[in-house]
Amino acid sequence: AIQMTQSPSSLSASVGDRVTITCRASHGIRIDLGWYQQKPGKAPKLLIYGASTLESGVPSRFSGSGSGTYFTLTISSLQPEDFATYYCLQDYNYPRTFGQGTKLEIK
Amino acid sequence: QLQLQESGPRLVKPSETLSLTCNVSGASIRDNNYYWGWIRQPPGKGLEWIGTVYFSGSTFYTPSLEGRLSISADTSTSQFSLNLGSVTAADTAVYYCARIRVMVAAAFDYWGPGTLVTVSA
Repeated sequence: AIQMTQSPSSLSASVGDRVTITCRASHGIRIDLGWYQQKPGKAPKLLIYGASTLESGVPSRFSGSGSGTYFTLTISSLQPEDFATYYCLQDYNYPRTFGQGTKLEIK
Repeated sequence: QLQLQESGPRLVKPSETLSLTCNVSGASIRDNNYYWGWIRQPPGKGLEWIGTVYFSGSTFYTPSLEGRLSISADTSTSQFSLNLGSVTAADTAVYYCARIRVMVAAAFDYWGPGTLVTVSA
């Protein structure tokens, strides 16, 4: 199975900050990667698919990039509602695998 | 408006079978632009993809559960189901169902709210 490794595991930041979360795949996955946001007690929400395509309705402060084995999720200017846990997911092959998550907390 | 809703017992005894159904409203599970999946999340832990069912009936499962897991779709009722046998406490988790876009990378675009299933005697 392809392993997805996110870093950092947790991150403290302030409103207005620019933050970047990385996701590395153990094997090349082209651009078959998505980013998800999860708030406590809620289902994950799709933010980005195909490594860099913003899902409809998601604010433009979210952006994704990368291909192959290295990917990033960037939030250009943190808003209060962005404090959550973020996961990457590969669907290049089966089994699908998630990263372990990055918890973004308020500093 | 598309909605997914998980249903099933919240408490299952060890060694028994966990059965959940995802009811899809506002869309047809026969639409071949999508397929359907299950994901789980143990309390306080990360997300784990469990398995997928396509409109053709094809299924894929996570290797760690293969042999205990069965996923199927019922196009007549617009539901798809999960059955996990011989459960242990390690199967305690919030179980989510989701819709996935075909030919669009990693787009699990609609999710149910999730249901917590506890395995305990």
